[in-house]
Amino acid sequence: DAKTTQPPSMDCAEGRAANLPCNHSTISGNEYVYWYRQIHSQGPQYIIHGLKNNETNEMASLIITEDRKSSTLILPHATLRDTAVYYCIVRENNNDMRFGAGTRLTVKP
Amino acid sequence: DAGVIQSPRHEVTEMGQEVTLRCKPISGHDYLFWYRQTMMRGLELLIYFNNNVPIDDSGMPEDRFSAKMPNASFSTLKIQPSEPRDSAVYFCASRVAQGTQYFGPGTRLLVL
Repeated sequence: DAKTTQPPSMDCAEGRAANLPCNHSTISGNEYVYWYRQIHSQGPQYIIHGLKNNETNEMASLIITEDRKSSTLILPHATLRDTAVYYCIVRENNNDMRFGAGTRLTVKP
Repeated sequence: DAGVIQSPRHEVTEMGQEVTLRCKPISGHDYLFWYRQTMMRGLELLIYFNNNVPIDDSGMPEDRFSAKMPNASFSTLKIQPSEPRDSAVYFCASRVAQGTQYFGPGTRLLVL
């Protein structure tokens, strides 16, 4: 049962911002929004997570809408090495983490 | 810390053979997860442990699959007997309670 909906694929020009959307309309108050990415069959890599507030780290920014029903992951200056499958997951903190199909982001020169 | 360690990284075996995959979680992490990834089914959660105790094994496909965690620093996923449809990449992950989950590099299994 996927709790999130993401577009199957997106393209982005190198050097531009990549904005990856995620819908999680059934999210509950205790559930966090997590983002991971997987580069060519490597293990999924943690990017960022948040509960209500927008978050930023050295990799990306996470914008969560006020009603928490959707979020956007922003890679501010995409590079070719950001080409990967990006997963948006909602999870209560002590629960398990289940992955959907994700968004395949292709960064083009 | 070295991160989550998995071995072997690649395994090729023949149908009917026993396969054992190994995982060493990050030191201090008390949750351990086993996932399987295929093109058809994506990344599936098979089983997870908390403090070495299996919590949810509902994702284990059938009785041929078993997982153990004899201590806090080691877990195994065993397939006996193996079948070609078990070919996949198997990932192990670990975290602390309420923490971020970190994945290992995976074991690529091919059953001929």
